[in-house]
Amino acid sequence: AQSVSQHNHHVILSEAASLELGCNYSYGGTVNLFWYVQYPGQHLQLLLKYFSGDPLVKGIKGFEAEFIKSKFSFNLRKPSVQWSDTAEYFCAVKIHDMRFGAGTRLTVKP
Amino acid sequence: EAGVAQSPRYKIIEKRQSVAFWCNPISGHATLYWYQQILGQGPKLLIQFQNNGVVDDSQLPKDRFSAERLKGVDSTLKIQPAKLEDSAVYLCASSLEAGANYEQYFGPGTRLTVT
Repeated sequence: AQSVSQHNHHVILSEAASLELGCNYSYGGTVNLFWYVQYPGQHLQLLLKYFSGDPLVKGIKGFEAEFIKSKFSFNLRKPSVQWSDTAEYFCAVKIHDMRFGAGTRLTVKP
Repeated sequence: EAGVAQSPRYKIIEKRQSVAFWCNPISGHATLYWYQQILGQGPKLLIQFQNNGVVDDSQLPKDRFSAERLKGVDSTLKIQPAKLEDSAVYLCASSLEAGANYEQYFGPGTRLTVT
């Protein structure tokens, strides 16, 4: 069965620090990968997605993610975080249905 | 463009009671999803509709949960009778079509507390 693991439950950073959130999935075939974000009091929204092609995917608000097939990973990165990036981040994998990780709460201190 | 609407936003019930949630997807979206998000976990798909037909309900606890989308637009999710472990946020999402390359748009969710 497919599963998604997010390594960090809660990450605390200062503004301008670099961010990397880990995501690993367990499925050997072709996958569609997503990162969603939920800002405080708002709906879940799509940050970026990977289906095929260039494994480095750029999303909104300066986020990017790299698909490394050999490591079954799809880590989310941002070179310099802002206070407004404080949110919960969910990695998701879609094969037949969408499976979400447990989420990582990011707190950015001003 | 109006987003996915859900009501109520909050609901508190006692165990063994019944509850229903309503979802109105984005206009024109053929695919509708109901997810359950328990505190500290990611959303878990309960059921997926394509127009008014069920595509996937493999993770729906059918002894107590039911859902319908009779006219292929609005949908209701019902729990009868509720258990303590049903306390969660119930998210509705919609997409233009069912394929993975179609973005899912989420509603604000209904937070259910079962006491």
